[in-house]
Amino acid sequence: AQTVTQSQPEMSVQEAETVTLSCTYDTSENNYYLFWYKQPPSRQMILVIRQEAYKQQNATENRFSVNFQKAAKSFSLKISDSQLGDTAMYFCAFFSLNRDDKIIFGKGTRLHILP
Amino acid sequence: DAGITQSPRHKVTETGTPVTLRCHQTENHRYMYWYRQDPGHGLRLIHYSYGVKDTDKGEVSDGYSVSRSKTEDFLLTLESATSSQTSVYFCAISESRQGAKSGYTFGSGTRLTVV
Repeated sequence: AQTVTQSQPEMSVQEAETVTLSCTYDTSENNYYLFWYKQPPSRQMILVIRQEAYKQQNATENRFSVNFQKAAKSFSLKISDSQLGDTAMYFCAFFSLNRDDKIIFGKGTRLHILP
Repeated sequence: DAGITQSPRHKVTETGTPVTLRCHQTENHRYMYWYRQDPGHGLRLIHYSYGVKDTDKGEVSDGYSVSRSKTEDFLLTLESATSSQTSVYFCAISESRQGAKSGYTFGSGTRLTVV
């Protein structure tokens, strides 16, 4: 079965610094999709960034970028120039068309941006 | 999020009472999902639906039932609520199974407290 592991339950960083959130996953599939979701205190789930496994180029969305290491099954999220509004719970997630009808989520990392 | 609404947003209920949570979508998406979010567990799938009257169990389905009589509505029922079902419940939608590779769209969640 596919699993997603986020090893950092909680992190804190000063505003304007760069922070990296870790995610590893386990799968025997070759074609799959990875996601990072942000959940601010409002509770809304927001898709931050998405990576297709067959694409070698790392996805980037403004200040958010990923480091996708397929062989190592690692999918970390880097937030540059962190802002107070980045304070949130972040979930790493996995989806494989060949396996399941559902997206599998990690347990989350709570990120605090300190002023 | 526009196109998907959950009701109620908050609910407090007593142990042993039945509770129904509603998810309504206006996107005409085929797939609908119910997840629960608990600290230290991330999001776990309860049930999902791949069409009207077509549903299947997720990893934490015990104590829950679902129904989907119309494309737009997916109901989650706790037949006899227990304190262990205190949680935040999220509904999510996907256009199709293929569509999940773009990620889900989530509702705003329902915070359920069983006392």
